[in-house]
Amino acid sequence: NAGVTQTPKFQVLKTGQSMTLQCAQDMNHEYMSWYRQDPGMGLRLIHYSVGAGITDQGEVPNGYNVSRSTTEDFPLRLLSAAPSQTSVYFCASSPGQSNTGELFFGEGSRLTVL
Amino acid sequence: GENVEQHPSTLSVQEGDSAVIKCTYSDSASNYFPWYKQELGKRPQLIIDIRSNVGEKKDQRIAVTLNKTAKHFSLHITETQPEDSAVYFCAARAFSGGYNKLIFGAGTRLAVHP
Repeated sequence: NAGVTQTPKFQVLKTGQSMTLQCAQDMNHEYMSWYRQDPGMGLRLIHYSVGAGITDQGEVPNGYNVSRSTTEDFPLRLLSAAPSQTSVYFCASSPGQSNTGELFFGEGSRLTVL
Repeated sequence: GENVEQHPSTLSVQEGDSAVIKCTYSDSASNYFPWYKQELGKRPQLIIDIRSNVGEKKDQRIAVTLNKTAKHFSLHITETQPEDSAVYFCAARAFSGGYNKLIFGAGTRLAVHP
């Protein structure tokens, strides 16, 4: 059972480039989310989804897009990367639309924007 | 929206001492308060959680208390061990447009010295 799988684990981008962070879970979880982790800032919610076709903004959504076409996948897109988006990104999922239970995190993706 | 403040940002204790981390939240409608532990270079993992209909919960050496009136909750670790060294995050579940989202505090870096 793989759990939550994120790719890539490491990525270096130049300012203005675009990329997609992939997230997949095999636990049939309805709830999926993306967080970014910066020193001293904790985990800040970017976007989340309560099921296929349903997404909503979190605390820091600007500069990021998401979509949820299947229950398993929740990709995070950076359309025009900026140095301020240098961070560690975590995808997390939870059973049930109401996120009543434990969040299961992926291993994280370290992104550097030059 | 929900705002979670966490103190202290760093905490250093001697092995065997107790450690206490405190969090406050702003949304009186929040009803679920988990704590996550993140070891260096790893993903956050749930260690204990509490719901708003409970005032205290214990699991071996860790306990969480909740004061709904004051809107604060705390993590207590007794008989600390070096393996307790990690970053600890509190979180509160906030409501937004019918959907729930988990908002995290900034984290506390706990160092347990032998």
